Amino acid sequence: EVHLLESGGGLLQPGGSLRLSCAASGFTFNTYAMSWVRQAPGKGPEWVSRVSETGDTTHYADSVKGRFTISRDKSKNTVYLQMNSLRVEDTAIYYCAKIEAGNYFVDWGQGTLVTVSS
Amino acid sequence: EIVLTQSPATLSLSPGERATLSCRASQSVAIYLAWYQQKPGQAPRLLIYDTSKRATGIPARFSGSGSGTDFTLTISSLEPADFAVYYCQQRMNWPLTFGGGTKVEIK
Repeated sequence: EVHLLESGGGLLQPGGSLRLSCAASGFTFNTYAMSWVRQAPGKGPEWVSRVSETGDTTHYADSVKGRFTISRDKSKNTVYLQMNSLRVEDTAIYYCAKIEAGNYFVDWGQGTLVTVSS
Repeated sequence: EIVLTQSPATLSLSPGERATLSCRASQSVAIYLAWYQQKPGQAPRLLIYDTSKRATGIPARFSGSGSGTDFTLTISSLEPADFAVYYCQQRMNWPLTFGGGTKVEIK
């Protein structure tokens, strides 16, 4: 059974930094692309970033480009999201998702809440 | 960026009724569209991908159709567990985008 467990969320001030982690299990980690998707309170999901199976290729939403960095560690079966220069509008639940069939989000974690507030 | 517009925003129906949800894309996404269901406090769940393919474990009462810019998710006979919010998502172009959602509520 696929299991994705996010951690690292919290409350911080604008301009701060945070690193989210997503520990994956139940599948062959280095054969699937992975993504982060966020959802602000009361809003729909917003795709944030994607990393390829090997970690060589990354994509970002314009809203986070230059501030967020996605990476993965195959020795730890973990995906990371380094978030810098955080803004109030980055407040959301951040979900880790396993990608299949192109770029669809087949399996999701339970999410970790990031709150940016002064 | 491809904008996905879902309608209606809210659909009020009774169990056993048929639900028809719409998703319109600002430009063609070919068949590369998915539908997700989300219940309160839960992550979204993939229902349909590539317009009409059901994801693993999804009941046959869920079906998808369309191509290009106009897509439909149909729930043939609503069950109590189906009252939720539904989102469409395209994978045609970067950035990957979601629609604003349709809430299916009990009438």
